[in-house]
Amino acid sequence: AQKITQTQPGMFVQEKEAVTLDCTYDTSDPSYGLFWYKQPSSGEMIFLIYQGSYDQQNATEGRYSLNFQKARKSANLVISASQLGDSAMYFCAMREGRGNTGFQKLVFGTGTRLLVSP
Amino acid sequence: KAGVTQTPRYLIKTRGQQVTLSCSPISGHRSVSWYQQTPGQGLQFLFEYFSETQRNKGNFPGRFSGRQFSNSRSEMNVSTLELGDSALYLCASSFRRAQETQYFGPGTRLLVL
Repeated sequence: AQKITQTQPGMFVQEKEAVTLDCTYDTSDPSYGLFWYKQPSSGEMIFLIYQGSYDQQNATEGRYSLNFQKARKSANLVISASQLGDSAMYFCAMREGRGNTGFQKLVFGTGTRLLVSP
Repeated sequence: KAGVTQTPRYLIKTRGQQVTLSCSPISGHRSVSWYQQTPGQGLQFLFEYFSETQRNKGNFPGRFSGRQFSNSRSEMNVSTLELGDSALYLCASSFRRAQETQYFGPGTRLLVL
């Protein structure tokens, strides 16, 4: 069963507008972490933001915020004030388990390609 | 602090050959994970090394192997290359294993002809 689902293959937004990239996940482990990465055409995966399953507040990092709805198992990325440099692929990922026995394996979604226009 | 580095960045091989890719983690990071990215299969976990020991392995054939050295640098090896091994191979490092963010390198693009 697919554990991370990104239903938007592509999104288009104008510069300075906000955009939401969707991510839903599936796990039975009470302890997990959710990540968003950005992948420009160069290929490098750039870490954007992290949300732990026990975190009470939604994570924020500059223009990035994560809309974490635990009951709905969703972890949407919100980018405020889009910039041209935000054009890239965006991946949602999950890691299950905790402690030193927790897996470091990340499971990725299929990604959303974001295009920001002037 | 320097990021994760991977060498080489680009590689062209022919079927049947073998290849070794190298990854140097961020200074002080002890966990190194490898991922394969292809258009068809997306991003898939290959394996993770911590303290020179393989801790976790993805669903890949035995042709894919790796190791980690005492300085935390890691190498992965693919033997008897197949056309389907053409991919972007990404290495990621983290300080420890538990509850840690993984930081990725620029990747090695492997083309198998």
